[in-house]
Amino acid sequence: KAGVTQTPRYLIKTRGQQVTLSCSPISGHRSVSWYQQTPGQGLQFLFEYFSETQRNKGNFPGRFSGRQFSNSRSEMNVSTLELGDSALYLCASSLRGQSYNEQFFGPGTRLTVL
Amino acid sequence: SQQGEEDPQALSIQEGENATMNCSYKTSINNLQWYRQNSGRGLVHLILIRSNEREKHSGRLRVTLDTSKKSSSLLITASRAADTASYFCATDADQAGTALIFGKGTTLSVSS
Repeated sequence: KAGVTQTPRYLIKTRGQQVTLSCSPISGHRSVSWYQQTPGQGLQFLFEYFSETQRNKGNFPGRFSGRQFSNSRSEMNVSTLELGDSALYLCASSLRGQSYNEQFFGPGTRLTVL
Repeated sequence: SQQGEEDPQALSIQEGENATMNCSYKTSINNLQWYRQNSGRGLVHLILIRSNEREKHSGRLRVTLDTSKKSSSLLITASRAADTASYFCATDADQAGTALIFGKGTTLSVSS
């Protein structure tokens, strides 16, 4: 079974631009969560989608948004990029997104904002 | 905000030794999970322990949970160089359990 894939793996953008990251979950998994990892703040929950609906959202500004498609693939978008958005963005998929479900993480997209 | 806080922040040991990492959290939980991350890559799930469990084993891993103290520990026995990684505990943030709150992690270095 293929693992979680994320594209692109690396991205360099400049302040003010926008970026779209993509995540393909493990086949059969309906829940996709997104996390931001920085040296200062660690791993922080962004949002979670289940069956194309956002079920939960972390404490991030509205510049961070996401969506999920009918095939469970998910995208997250960051508009008006700031230097502080430089981070490793990780997506994770699980069967139903319940706390007792193991989450499978992708390799991440490393975003650098210049 | 951080729910889990790992201790110590960094740990250096020799191959064959045991490594113990601790995690404390603030609010009540349904489950607690431990993950491993190798050098800025994706996280790998190690073990999940439910709030009504006190101890769980998986291979060379042993996890304990003390809900009265809101703490958990991860023991890796007979460490290998390949165990060098960062280890995170994660707790469910709400009743729906759809979000995980991670601690800042313990960086383990195992030298041969």
